[in-house]
Amino acid sequence: DAGVTQSPTHLIKTRGQQVTLRCSPKSGHDTVSWYQQALGQGPQFIFQYYEEEERQRGNFPDRFSGHQFPNYSSELNVNALLLGDSALYLCASSPGERYEQYFGPGTRLTVT
Amino acid sequence: DQQVKQNSPSLSVQEGRISILNCDYTNSMFDYFLWYKKYPAEGPTFLISISSIKDKNEDGRFTVFLNKSAKHLSLHIVPSQPGDSAVYFCAASVSSGGSNYKLTFGKGTLLTVNP
Repeated sequence: DAGVTQSPTHLIKTRGQQVTLRCSPKSGHDTVSWYQQALGQGPQFIFQYYEEEERQRGNFPDRFSGHQFPNYSSELNVNALLLGDSALYLCASSPGERYEQYFGPGTRLTVT
Repeated sequence: DQQVKQNSPSLSVQEGRISILNCDYTNSMFDYFLWYKKYPAEGPTFLISISSIKDKNEDGRFTVFLNKSAKHLSLHIVPSQPGDSAVYFCAASVSSGGSNYKLTFGKGTLLTVNP
């Protein structure tokens, strides 16, 4: 049974560019959450998707947007990249109303 | 304002001894707490959780204790093994009608278990 998968593994972008990160949830999971983890910090909640809608959002600007597809996979889009957006981006999935979220390996984004 | 705090950046213990990792929180609305372990180049792995209606939950070598009056929880690992060496994150959530909402994480504690 495949766990949460994310692509790409690493990404290097230039300031001002746009990026799309992808996530496939664990089999049987319908809820996807995205987190940003800066160096030396714990993961920070960006937003959560359920039934193709954004259910809850953290304290991130509108440059961060997302989407969930009918097969429950999800994308995270970041526009007008800033140097401060360099971080590990983690996707987590969960089976509906369960509290435990299961994380993927993350995408390391570097903005130069 | 950090709502979940792990005040010890690192902890070193001998193999076979007990490891105690601590976590404090400030938001009294938190009612579900989780511990995750993270190895380098991997995502966090769920370890154990506890609801605010309990004060202890045990799973094998891992036990989590919750003291609601002190807004404090701890993770005990007995006996500690070298493979337990990793960063441990404490996380908390506010549940609403049984729904799964965002997790608020601490900054993590690096545990090193020496052979």
